[in-house]
Amino acid sequence: KQEVTQIPAALSVPEGENLVLNCSFTDSAIYNLQWFRQDPGKGLTSLLLIQSSQREQTSGRLNASLDKSSGRSTLYIAASQPGDSATYLCAVGEGGSEKLVFGKGTKLTVNP
Amino acid sequence: DTAVSQTPKYLVTQMGNDKSIKCEQNLGHDTMYWYKQDSKKFLKIMFSYNNKELIINETVPNRFSPKSPDKAHLNLHINSLELGDSAVYFCASSQGQGAYQPQHFGDGTRLSIL
Repeated sequence: KQEVTQIPAALSVPEGENLVLNCSFTDSAIYNLQWFRQDPGKGLTSLLLIQSSQREQTSGRLNASLDKSSGRSTLYIAASQPGDSATYLCAVGEGGSEKLVFGKGTKLTVNP
Repeated sequence: DTAVSQTPKYLVTQMGNDKSIKCEQNLGHDTMYWYKQDSKKFLKIMFSYNNKELIINETVPNRFSPKSPDKAHLNLHINSLELGDSAVYFCASSQGQGAYQPQHFGDGTRLSIL
């Protein structure tokens, strides 16, 4: 059974800092890995999708990497801003079941 | 225009009642989902429909019954509500099945059972 773990559960950083969020998964038979952002009282917004054949994806100040063999992904946020404060969720697209399996998220606070 | 919209946003009701949540997407997607996010913020899939056909049906009590009248709508009806049903329910949609494409989420329906 696929399990997705995100460390740390919460992170507080000063504005301008570069930071890394971690995601690990137990079964490497995945179709892709997706990173989402969830703001309080809102739904999830898709940030990046990395196919299983890819190593990384970039969008603006965000860079996500995938090491399928070791079951790890990282989300790198450059020059963090207070507007980046949110919960970031990692989800793996499970091979065969066509489901997304989510981690519990990392709550990020960027202080001005 | 809201891409995936859910109604109502908040739902407070008594144990034992029956309630429905509605979801509509205007993205032209062919697949829709229902997720449950519990008090620990853990998000788990309940159902998915592709072109009105049930694709994923997780281990969910049969008190929960999804209905898809067309591919732009997926409603969730819950019978005999229990305290443990209190959660945030999210609707989502994607073009294509399963986990292959980015999913677009609604803002959620916060269900509280008294």
